[in-house]
Amino acid sequence: DTGVSQNPRHKITKRGQNVTFRCDPISEHNRLYWYRQTLGQGPEFLTYFQNEAQLEKSRLLSDRFSAERPKGSFSTLEIQRTEQGDSAMYLCASSLVLSPTDTQYFGPGTRLTVL
Amino acid sequence: AQSVTQLDSHVSVSEGTPVLLRCNYSSSYSPSLFWYVQHPNKGLQLLLKYTSAATLVKGINGFEAEFKKSETSFHLTKPSAHMSDAAEYFCVVTILQGGKLIFGQGTELSVKP
Repeated sequence: DTGVSQNPRHKITKRGQNVTFRCDPISEHNRLYWYRQTLGQGPEFLTYFQNEAQLEKSRLLSDRFSAERPKGSFSTLEIQRTEQGDSAMYLCASSLVLSPTDTQYFGPGTRLTVL
Repeated sequence: AQSVTQLDSHVSVSEGTPVLLRCNYSSSYSPSLFWYVQHPNKGLQLLLKYTSAATLVKGINGFEAEFKKSETSFHLTKPSAHMSDAAEYFCVVTILQGGKLIFGQGTELSVKP
């Protein structure tokens, strides 16, 4: 169990550019979640997958955001035409749903700064 | 709808004194409740969780929390603070096993020597 990993850890981009983040969950975990955390706030739910199926999307996830989990393992979160308001920490978590220890384990996050 | 309110944005204690971080929740259904801790530049770590078993839940590092349905509260306590406890603490609710987590605003805990 190597934990949830996220890459890159930091991303600085200019407004209008596209960015993509990657999350590698704990192996065997069937659920994968994305959250966004802005400074001084608690994380807010964006979307989650069970295996490769995207089961729920938050209204926070505008049309510029897209997430995929093509083979039910790693996931990517892409933001198109970034805006300054997208600056935040993007957190990924994974869990093994319906297990006795169904707990979401979080990665270290990707900090996005949009200039 | 579900929500949590953390009643203090910042709590400061002296090392060796008790810690109390307050959390009230709102839920239309029987909730699962959690406390997570976030140290600077580190990921969120689960401290403890309540899932309708014992109302007094013990977690890691000496923390515990008591679920009080009549008061809709889930306060986090520790008898004696340690310098390493300084961090941001989040109270979290969910109603569906494996579903999305709803976080409170967070309480920053400072520990003075």
